[in-house]
Amino acid sequence: EVELVESGGGLVQPGGSLRLSCAASGFSFATYGMNWVRQAPGKGLEWVAGIGGSGGSTSYAVSVKGRFNISRDNSKNTLNLQMNSLRAEDTAVYYCAKGGYHDYWGQGTLVTVSS
Amino acid sequence: DIQMTQSPSSLSASVGDRVTITCRASQIISTYLNWYQQKPGKAPKLLIYGASSLQSGVPSRFSGSGYGTDFTLTISSLQPEDFATYYCQQSYITPRTFGQGTKVEIK
Repeated sequence: EVELVESGGGLVQPGGSLRLSCAASGFSFATYGMNWVRQAPGKGLEWVAGIGGSGGSTSYAVSVKGRFNISRDNSKNTLNLQMNSLRAEDTAVYYCAKGGYHDYWGQGTLVTVSS
Repeated sequence: DIQMTQSPSSLSASVGDRVTITCRASQIISTYLNWYQQKPGKAPKLLIYGASSLQSGVPSRFSGSGYGTDFTLTISSLQPEDFATYYCQQSYITPRTFGQGTKVEIK
C-alpha cells in the first residue's frame, strides 16, 4: 500500500527557514517524480515544486523560485523541501504527491509564518 | 504559465442530479488534464487523469472529457459523498497549475 507521510511543519518567523520531509513507502520510489503542493487557509491548491525520479531535474512555481529547494534521497525513500526566506504568504498546508498524475497524497503538514 | 479557469466556482445540487464542471486552459494542453476531489480537512484525491481515464477505485458515475483547451468533469448521479470541492490541473508543462476549484454544495 502506498503511503506518504509529511513532517517538519511548524511556526516560523518571517525570513526564517524550515525543512519539510515526506517519507514514502509501498512503491518503487526512485521510479517516480514527486511533487510538493500547498494550500493556504481557505484557498485553493497551488503546485509548488517537482523533481524527477533520479533527482536530476527540478522545477518550481514562480512564487517560490530562488527561495525553496526540492530534493530527494532515493536510498531513504524521502522527499525534502528546504524553504528559506519564508513569508507570511507561504503559510499553508504542504502536501507531497506522487507522480505526474499526483495519484497519491500525504496527509499534509502545516507551515505557519508569523511573528 | 498556463492558466486554468474552472466554472462555475460553486454550485448547489440535489442527490441524483447530473452535475457538470468545466475547465479551460489558456493554451492547448492535449489531454494532459487531471481532476481531483477534496473534502474539508482532507488531502485531494485523484479522480480522472489524462482528461478521461478513471482512476482505479473511483465510481463510474464520474467521467471526464475534452481535448486541447476545454474539458469537462461530469457526475452522472450525484451522491451524498460527492459534496466536495473539485479541482482541475494541467500536467502538460511545469508549473503544473490548478484551477481555482468548484465547490459542490447540497441544495
